[in-house]
Amino acid sequence: NAGVTQTPKFQVLKTGQSMTLQCAQDMNHEYMSWYRQDPGMGLRLIHYSVGAGITDQGEVPNGYNVSRSTTEDFPLRLLSAAPSQTSVYFCASSWGTGPLQYFGPGTRLTVL
Amino acid sequence: AQTVTQSQPEMSVQEAETVTLSCTYDTSESDYYLFWYKQPPSRQMILVIRQEAYKQQNATENRFSVNFQKAAKSFSLKISDSQLGDAAMYFCAYRSLTQGGSEKLVFGKGTKLTVNP
Repeated sequence: NAGVTQTPKFQVLKTGQSMTLQCAQDMNHEYMSWYRQDPGMGLRLIHYSVGAGITDQGEVPNGYNVSRSTTEDFPLRLLSAAPSQTSVYFCASSWGTGPLQYFGPGTRLTVL
Repeated sequence: AQTVTQSQPEMSVQEAETVTLSCTYDTSESDYYLFWYKQPPSRQMILVIRQEAYKQQNATENRFSVNFQKAAKSFSLKISDSQLGDAAMYFCAYRSLTQGGSEKLVFGKGTKLTVNP
């Protein structure tokens, strides 16, 4: 199993550009989540999904969109990037309410 | 809403010594999971240890152990025989078991651990 994969690993955007961060898992996990990590802030939940076709907002959803058309994929879309979205983004997945969340390697995003 | 507090932004320890990282949390729930994650410079989030709240026995994984005080809502991590490879950011995290809360982890702000040779 590849586990949780994220692409790209690094990205630089200009203010106002749009892009999609990709996340995929091959463990047939129901739950998938997106977190952002900022210095001194720990990880904060952006959006999450409990299954294909079901998504919901987390703690810091503004400026981000998600969709979940398949169990495997959970892309995060930035519609109009802002410097405040400069961060490291982690995707995670888990099997139902099981204790373990598996994290992807992260994407470092810089918005100029 | 649950909160997790790590009161030590930075800690340091001598190689081979023991260090304890603190974590407190706030919740009204009786059943939940607690975790310690390690994040080295590679950025990868690595699960160090987990504790189920219904278990009274403290979890142990090799040199890592926890002191779980449910009534005090405290969950500290003890690292024994510290090694240079233990240097990293350490995050305490909480996961609810209730519907509407179990989908996510609530993280503390982290403690940066330095191991001195």
